[in-house]
Amino acid sequence: SQKIEQNSEALNIQEGKTATLTCNYTNYSPAYLQWYRQDPGRGPVFLLLIRENEKEKRKERLKVTFDTTLKQSLFHITASQPADSATYLCAPGTGTYKYIFGTGTRLKVLA
Amino acid sequence: DTEVTQTPKHLVMGMTNKKSLKCEQHMGHRAMYWYKQKAKKPPELMFVYSYEKLSINESVPSRFSPECPNSSLLNLHLHALQPEDSALYLCASSQGTGVLRTGELFFGEGSRLTVL
Repeated sequence: SQKIEQNSEALNIQEGKTATLTCNYTNYSPAYLQWYRQDPGRGPVFLLLIRENEKEKRKERLKVTFDTTLKQSLFHITASQPADSATYLCAPGTGTYKYIFGTGTRLKVLA
Repeated sequence: DTEVTQTPKHLVMGMTNKKSLKCEQHMGHRAMYWYKQKAKKPPELMFVYSYEKLSINESVPSRFSPECPNSSLLNLHLHALQPEDSALYLCASSQGTGVLRTGELFFGEGSRLTVL
């Protein structure tokens, strides 16, 4: 069956450090992969999309990599800030409307 | 500010009630989604409408009945719910998908449902 697993349920890091979140998928062949941020009690907000033919994508302090051989995407937040504390969700895209989210990682950046 | 509007923000209902959740978007998107989210869990896909036709039903119990009256509106009719149906219900929309097109989802703020 298809699975999307994110490395840890919760991740605590010190302010200023780089946070690295992992998204591993099985029994999927995604054409792209999306990352979302969700704050408590609110809907997810789109952050970045990376296509299968792209190795890396950047947006300000965010960086995403996509390794289709390892079936893995890494999401990095550099110079992390307490305002980055949230749950981060990955979602592989296969070109259908069936968007399934990964298990999510709750990131807490400590001041 | 989100461009997907959901009402009501909070809803409390008994197991014998009939109620509806509403969702509206004016971005010209042709795909609309309902997700259910329990505490500390990811959003779980329920239904997808594309071009106003039901495209995906993820084996959702019939006590949940979706409706898409037009391309901007999406409803979720609720009847005879159970306490375990209490959750945050999220509506989302997207332009449409295809291998070469992005499928970025725009979410509303959700409707918090409590079933007594």
